Amino acid sequence: DSGVTQTPKHLITATGQRVTLRCSPRSGDLSVYWYQQSLDQGLQFLIQYYNGEERAKGNILERFSAQQFPDLHSELNLSSLELGDSALYFCASSIGQGASTGELFFGEGSRLTVL
Amino acid sequence: DQQVKQNSPSLSVQEGRISILNCDYTNSMFDYFLWYKKYPAEGPTFLISISSIKDKNEDGRFTVFLNKSAKHLSLHIVPSQPGDSAVYFCAASTMNYGGSQGNLIFGKGTKLSVKP
Repeated sequence: DSGVTQTPKHLITATGQRVTLRCSPRSGDLSVYWYQQSLDQGLQFLIQYYNGEERAKGNILERFSAQQFPDLHSELNLSSLELGDSALYFCASSIGQGASTGELFFGEGSRLTVL
Repeated sequence: DQQVKQNSPSLSVQEGRISILNCDYTNSMFDYFLWYKKYPAEGPTFLISISSIKDKNEDGRFTVFLNKSAKHLSLHIVPSQPGDSAVYFCAASTMNYGGSQGNLIFGKGTKLSVKP
């Protein structure tokens, strides 16, 4: 158990819909990262928050947004869903601002299926 | 443009033999490298890391080698065990987290199968 909690574990929805994925980081970790893993793809970095502030941005679509709340949990919002958004979405956390200050701890992922 | 490449999608080795997983990177700004292991239905877990000031880091059966001039790193597992069967991801980052580089860039992974 990494200590990172992601909900829901599985989600099935239709094209055009909007969903919210939730992540609770490990106790004491200030950074939260979101990654997307599509079929046969590696982990694609989406966005990072550190202590409530956006820290780094990767290949995140404009239809996607995220935020980190004062209690440090984070939510990833996916809207106007398309078939290609079907993927495993991982949340990770770390103590510091970057991976070099400590490895990332990953949750078990939220599997999104868009029909 | 893939900055971290794992060109072998899969690797099969016999129990007790050496497993060598390879990774290449293109961004010369990367100076911190990690390997993660992932079992089905679980998130990736950290395995071993190396900074660019070293060329080797060892932890039990796992050793990571870094060749900066070739922009290549490898993970050696000796001896390989059936429980090592998993997907292994190579990842890279920079230490300059004062800028925008705090996240990890991952390769696509190599699925290792260790046969008894």
